Amino acid sequence: DAGVIQSPRHEVTEMGQEVTLRCKPISGHDYLFWYRQTMMRGLELLIYFNNNVPIDDSGMPEDRFSAKMPNASFSTLKIQPSEPRDSAVYFCATSGPTGNEQFFGPGTRLTVL
Amino acid sequence: AQSVTQLGSHVSVSEGALVLLRCNYSSSVPPYLFWYVQYPNQGLQLLLKYTTGATLVKGINGFEAEFKKSETSFHLTKPSAHMSDAAEYFCAVRPGGAGGTSYGKLTFGQGTILTVHP
Repeated sequence: DAGVIQSPRHEVTEMGQEVTLRCKPISGHDYLFWYRQTMMRGLELLIYFNNNVPIDDSGMPEDRFSAKMPNASFSTLKIQPSEPRDSAVYFCATSGPTGNEQFFGPGTRLTVL
Repeated sequence: AQSVTQLGSHVSVSEGALVLLRCNYSSSVPPYLFWYVQYPNQGLQLLLKYTTGATLVKGINGFEAEFKKSETSFHLTKPSAHMSDAAEYFCAVRPGGAGGTSYGKLTFGQGTILTVHP
């Protein structure tokens, strides 16, 4: 298995633009998590899904952030409009039914100018 | 609710010396505990985990951790540091068992950067 796949690996955009981050989970994993990592705030859970259904989105910072999981093989995290303070590394992680180990993707480094 | 405190944002050791990274947790229910490692420009990788059973757990790369309920601690150790151990280490906790909206949701500490000197 190729592991969790995230794209793009790097994204540079200007303030006000829409940003879409993508994640392909490990096949058979039914939990999917989106995290944001910054120096100031550390690693934050934004939202997670179970069987494509959002379970907890309490970590989503603002209405500018939205996440979807239209099927078991794909999830997106969208920021619209983007702001400089959204600059961070965004990780997708997935886990199987026991939820005992989360497998992380390589992350997307987002820079908003 | 769960929380994790990692004591020391930076730890520096010499190659061959003992590595000790401290983690204390708070949990209203029996916890599951994890240590993850993050190398530069990579995602997090599981080092080891405690769920139930033996309180001393062994992980990859020679690391181990001991769950001490009375001290609410889960410190990470390695007898002899190697240069390749230089990375950032995260302790994490989640509610034990299955079910409920918190199932599978990890709460991470702030991380400890380990530097290994030759």
